[in-house]
Amino acid sequence: GENVEQHPSTLSVQEGDSAVIKCTYSDSASNYFPWYKQELGKRPQLIIDIRSNVGEKKDQRIAVTLNKTAKHFSLHITETQPEDSAVYFCAATRGGGFKTIFGAGTRLFVKA
Amino acid sequence: NAGVTQTPKFRVLKTGQSMTLLCAQDMNHEYMYWYRQDPGMGLRLIHYSVGEGTTAKGEVPDGYNVSRLKKQNFLLGLESAAPSQTSVYFCASRLTTGNSYEQYFGPGTRLTVT
Repeated sequence: GENVEQHPSTLSVQEGDSAVIKCTYSDSASNYFPWYKQELGKRPQLIIDIRSNVGEKKDQRIAVTLNKTAKHFSLHITETQPEDSAVYFCAATRGGGFKTIFGAGTRLFVKA
Repeated sequence: NAGVTQTPKFRVLKTGQSMTLLCAQDMNHEYMYWYRQDPGMGLRLIHYSVGEGTTAKGEVPDGYNVSRLKKQNFLLGLESAAPSQTSVYFCASRLTTGNSYEQYFGPGTRLTVT
């Protein structure tokens, strides 16, 4: 069945360093790849997304890259700050967008 | 705009009891979803709806039922609660138009089944 694998499950970085989270999807019909951030006790919120016809997208300190051939996509956060500490979820949505399959999440700790 | 709201925020049930979780959105979204979130397992789709009067099964539908009688509401029912249904439940909705498939989540319902 459809599956999204996410690594690592936990990531600890020093403030100012970069953080990279990687995901792999199984459904080759997936064409939309969002990333959600969930702070402790809060609801998930979209931080960036990418479509399959684009290889990279950047929004200030965050960027997402997509390799369709390898079915890999990654989230890159540069110059990390303590407020970046949260759980990050990748996800994949197939054409039509009815269903989104989420990865298991990465808990990011940014140490001041 | 209240966005997506969920009722109740917390609930404790005994095994075998039933309950209904209510999700409401005021953004005129067509698609609505129910997820459960368990530690280390991300968000798993229970059921979803692509419009008023329609529902479909997600990844983990067993033990749950849903209804979408009105466009703005999506109800999740547990007929006979089990301890394995202890979880945080999130509702979400999204538009069907535009370039983004962004889902807007509710604040969540923390359910404990003893």
